[in-house]
Amino acid sequence: EVQLVESGGGLVKPGGSLRLSCAASGFTFSNAWMSWVRQAPGKGLEWVGRIKSKTDGGTTDYAAPVKGRFTISRDDSKNTLYLQMNSLKTEDTAVYYCTTEGFMGYSSSWYGYWGQGTLVTVSS
Amino acid sequence: SSELTQDPAVSVALGQTVRITCQGDSLRSYYASWYQQKPGQAPVLVIYGKNNRPSGIPDRFSGSSSGNTASLTITGAQAEDEADYYCNSRDSSGNQLGVFGGGTKLTVL
Repeated sequence: EVQLVESGGGLVKPGGSLRLSCAASGFTFSNAWMSWVRQAPGKGLEWVGRIKSKTDGGTTDYAAPVKGRFTISRDDSKNTLYLQMNSLKTEDTAVYYCTTEGFMGYSSSWYGYWGQGTLVTVSS
Repeated sequence: SSELTQDPAVSVALGQTVRITCQGDSLRSYYASWYQQKPGQAPVLVIYGKNNRPSGIPDRFSGSSSGNTASLTITGAQAEDEADYYCNSRDSSGNQLGVFGGGTKLTVL
């Protein structure tokens, strides 16, 4: 059974930093593309970024609102995904989900498995 | 603002058919995926690719695409289908970034 368990959320002041973790099990983590998706209170889903598998280059992509402030990394030996968030803003307040990203060539992609999410609150 | 546009709310009578749409330029070359989210829960993938359902998703859910519009159809809507539905695709810049629609609140009457 695939499981994704996020941790590390909490209350942080504007300008502060936080690191989220996502522990994965039930699939071959090292082969997986992984993404973070967030959801502000009462709002819709927003894609944050992804990291490809190392065999596909291990590169990262980010949404414009977080580029330069957030960093996604992975430790395949620990089956763990990370999201380092710096220079946090009040608008970063959201539930952060880690997801697996499947794809079929360049024609489609999808987020098949989701964690339960971890809440990050940025407030003074 | 989202590059994928969804109607904010749609309603359907119990047992009837409802179509939820998603519009965006990237959908001309990229299939949408669809997610169901109930209050307090994580999203669940219901449709991906041309028209694929993950294991456990009822066959009353189907997907289609035409031009710049992707559609999620629920044939014979059930009370448990009342939820928010989000479409997802890649952005139209060609950078392979992810993008979600604003979501559609489905009410089953």
